Amino acid sequence: NAGVTQTPKFRVLKTGQSMTLLCAQDMNHEYMYWYRQDPGMGLRLIHYSVGEGTTAKGEVPDGYNVSRLKKQNFLLGLESAAPSQTSVYFCASKLPGNTEGYTFGSGTRLTVV
Amino acid sequence: AQKVTQAQTEISVVEKEDVTLDCVYETRDTTYYLFWYKQPPSGELVFLIRRNSFDEQNEISGRYSWNFQKSTSSFNFTITASQVVDSAVYFCALKDNQGGKLIFGQGTELSVKP
Repeated sequence: NAGVTQTPKFRVLKTGQSMTLLCAQDMNHEYMYWYRQDPGMGLRLIHYSVGEGTTAKGEVPDGYNVSRLKKQNFLLGLESAAPSQTSVYFCASKLPGNTEGYTFGSGTRLTVV
Repeated sequence: AQKVTQAQTEISVVEKEDVTLDCVYETRDTTYYLFWYKQPPSGELVFLIRRNSFDEQNEISGRYSWNFQKSTSSFNFTITASQVVDSAVYFCALKDNQGGKLIFGQGTELSVKP
């Protein structure tokens, strides 16, 4: 089925460990986004990409890195996880243009202990 | 500044009541798009509506209606005759023309009790 797939869906990390969250879309979307959702704060943009090989910082980029080596994949990396990065992470993608909608993944629940 | 404010953190109503969720936005853009999303307890984000700044007509979809007023920078969402299945977190969002980013409000958690 076409859509946005996030891997993994759940993960528990120890402080200081590293991990990579994968976002994959099969809709040939140019734009991709990583958000984090925390209670009372809505969804906040971490990083985004407007095309293969490009990335840009969002509102809360510190502690995260991203890569967009292939158009269909957008990776979010945590080099040294901290408890403050405990959150639900959502990936989204869209085509360029004002009339194009956003497709969201189902989320990754990450707990850093 | 690009900003969305949902001042109501939580709302609790009894089934069949009408409820309005407020959304106020700030934008530097002359052309912009506003969105509402629903996040049920299962956690996924469900798209409800997109409205562009050129169209100030109110929109109705079943029990849902939206009131867009540019003069007050508001895009409020009303549920008529609420049902338990409407219980969810609702997000208002603004599309930033730079990179097509969505800027979300803090969300309003709606609880509809039987």
